[in-house]
Amino acid sequence: EAQVTQNPRYLITVTGKKLTVTCSQNMNHEYMSWYRQDPGLGLRQIYYSMNVEVTDKGDVPEGYKVSRKEKRNFPLILESPSPNQTSLYFCASSFPWDTQYFGPGTRLTVL
Amino acid sequence: GESVGLHLPTLSVQEGDNSIINCAYSNSASDYFIWYKQESGKGPQFIIDIRSNMDKRQGQRVTVLLNKTVKHLSLQIAATQPGDSAVYFCAESGANSKLTFGKGITLSVRP
Repeated sequence: EAQVTQNPRYLITVTGKKLTVTCSQNMNHEYMSWYRQDPGLGLRQIYYSMNVEVTDKGDVPEGYKVSRKEKRNFPLILESPSPNQTSLYFCASSFPWDTQYFGPGTRLTVL
Repeated sequence: GESVGLHLPTLSVQEGDNSIINCAYSNSASDYFIWYKQESGKGPQFIIDIRSNMDKRQGQRVTVLLNKTVKHLSLQIAATQPGDSAVYFCAESGANSKLTFGKGITLSVRP
């Protein structure tokens, strides 16, 4: 089954404790992206990757890092999480300039 | 800055009626537009898309209309069903496959 998977689905952590949210897709898509979704602000892009080893900032990249060492994986790294990064995070993938398919989301709470 | 927005935050319709959800976009360079549906606790799900060289596209019970002159996008849902209740997002795509989302509108279907 074609899908985008994210782990974990739910995470509660404390300020400053490094964490990684994994994202994997099995559709051989070149393009992958991370979004955060906040009430009243909609979905905002954090980082995106056009292909392996090619990443770039989206609209709200501060406090986040990404890497793209393999085509199927695109982890999101929070080196020192802060409460304002409490949000619902979505990973998405697609062929370039085509429909993006979203994962199920990761709900992160930073205390 | 460039933005995609929706005219109304909520829409309530009677089951069996047709629904029309409207969206305005401001980036005239955008060439690809998508409607997503998001149910509670899930990631955005692709409904229908349209490219800028078209003004209408039909799917199963859904139609997307694009008016490039006034930068307006609409989603029409025929014979709305309770399962259509969700938040709907329009999104536009331009350079680097970057998606810009509207803030979302809640569709509520009355039985």
